[in-house]
Amino acid sequence: TQLLEQSPQFLSIQEGENLTVYCNSSSVFSSLQWYRQEPGEGPVLLVTVVTGGEVKKLKRLTFQFGDARKDSSLHITAAQPGDTGLYLCASRWGATNKLIFGTGTLLAVQP
Amino acid sequence: DAGITQSPRHKVTETGTPVTLRCHQTENHRYMYWYRQDPGHGLRLIHYSYGVKDTDKGEVSDGYSVSRSKTEDFLLTLESATSSQTSVYFCAISGGGQNNSPLHFGNGTRLTVT
Repeated sequence: TQLLEQSPQFLSIQEGENLTVYCNSSSVFSSLQWYRQEPGEGPVLLVTVVTGGEVKKLKRLTFQFGDARKDSSLHITAAQPGDTGLYLCASRWGATNKLIFGTGTLLAVQP
Repeated sequence: DAGITQSPRHKVTETGTPVTLRCHQTENHRYMYWYRQDPGHGLRLIHYSYGVKDTDKGEVSDGYSVSRSKTEDFLLTLESATSSQTSVYFCAISGGGQNNSPLHFGNGTRLTVT
């Protein structure tokens, strides 16, 4: 059972457009991480959000953790071809250190 | 980059044969993980280790076993490979037990079971 659902599953946009991807769960998480994965490589951490309502910015990427800590979003402003990749959200499973990943959003930014 | 090496990087094997994948780290991190990645499923946790000889099951552990006899090595074994185990396998490590400790991933092993 996938505890974290991401949407959309695929997204193809033109360079310069804005986009938002979502990560949702029926469970409350103490923290949430976002990773980006490029072809042929492992995922790389982008950011960790911990506090409900928290907003973090990483250049053109804005991450938000929902007030109830059951959802998160990633907004990209003026997307670039270099943003192309698979975006994954992840959180701990219960009280363990097992990190569970969402289903992923595959983003393609066309020049 | 975190010192994580997965071997082999690619493997083709026949149904019913045993397969062992190796993850080696040079970071002395306590936690090690094995994930598989398939289209439409993101990353799914197979097993993880929280110390030498300490392991626990993940979401999709059936058909897999692991061993960790020393800090730097975490082995994933498919006792009798099946076609459904064709996938890309990623190893990851984490240094801390804190809730927001990041994972550092290897570059994956592509396994094909024919």
